[in-house]
Amino acid sequence: AQSVTQLDSHVSVSEGTPVLLRCNYSSSYSPSLFWYVQHPNKGLQLLLKYTSAATLVKGINGFEAEFKKSETSFHLTKPSAHMSDAAEYFCVVSSPLDGNTPLVFGKGTRLSVIA
Amino acid sequence: KAGVTQTPRYLIKTRGQQVTLSCSPISGHRSVSWYQQTPGQGLQFLFEYFSETQRNKGNFPGRFSGRQFSNSRSEMNVSTLELGDSALYLCASSLNFGTSGSPNTGELFFGEGSRLTVL
Repeated sequence: AQSVTQLDSHVSVSEGTPVLLRCNYSSSYSPSLFWYVQHPNKGLQLLLKYTSAATLVKGINGFEAEFKKSETSFHLTKPSAHMSDAAEYFCVVSSPLDGNTPLVFGKGTRLSVIA
Repeated sequence: KAGVTQTPRYLIKTRGQQVTLSCSPISGHRSVSWYQQTPGQGLQFLFEYFSETQRNKGNFPGRFSGRQFSNSRSEMNVSTLELGDSALYLCASSLNFGTSGSPNTGELFFGEGSRLTVL
């Protein structure tokens, strides 16, 4: 079984300051992990993914995430927030070796960026 | 390359009615998944289709059904609508089935959704 917990439902940052969105996961097998972003009234878009290669993963729009197996975490960061980063972010886990089970989505973290 | 297209984008129904939502995946994608998104429950997996066969199903009642056609387009149907069915229904496509054995493992391409309001 697998699960994912996004530790903050809402994060608010000032423009130009760092962003940290936290995600912990649980998986019986070696997981694949993803971050998706959803802007208002839009579908989800893949930001980045970890699939057992490098533990530091770089994504689009300056985001990156680090896979820490010992902490079962996959936190999303960005050095400097832009107004356009305001959106809902979802951490997602899958276990490719656990049959073909569907992806499991976290509850989401809403990021607000203050000018 | 055209993205995932969902129709209709918005619709209003009353309790007891039924609704059919349509999803056209990205050209060449053979897998289509459906998700229900609500403020309270977040994103919940409904079902996944690959080559016209349902491969996975989430924990939803039998009122929720779907199918996939030979051109990979998919429809989902909800019968006997309830107030709690009000949600954004998202469709996602991917090259291959499930999340294993593919370089695109887990990479889903989402449509903008169909927002259903049940009165």
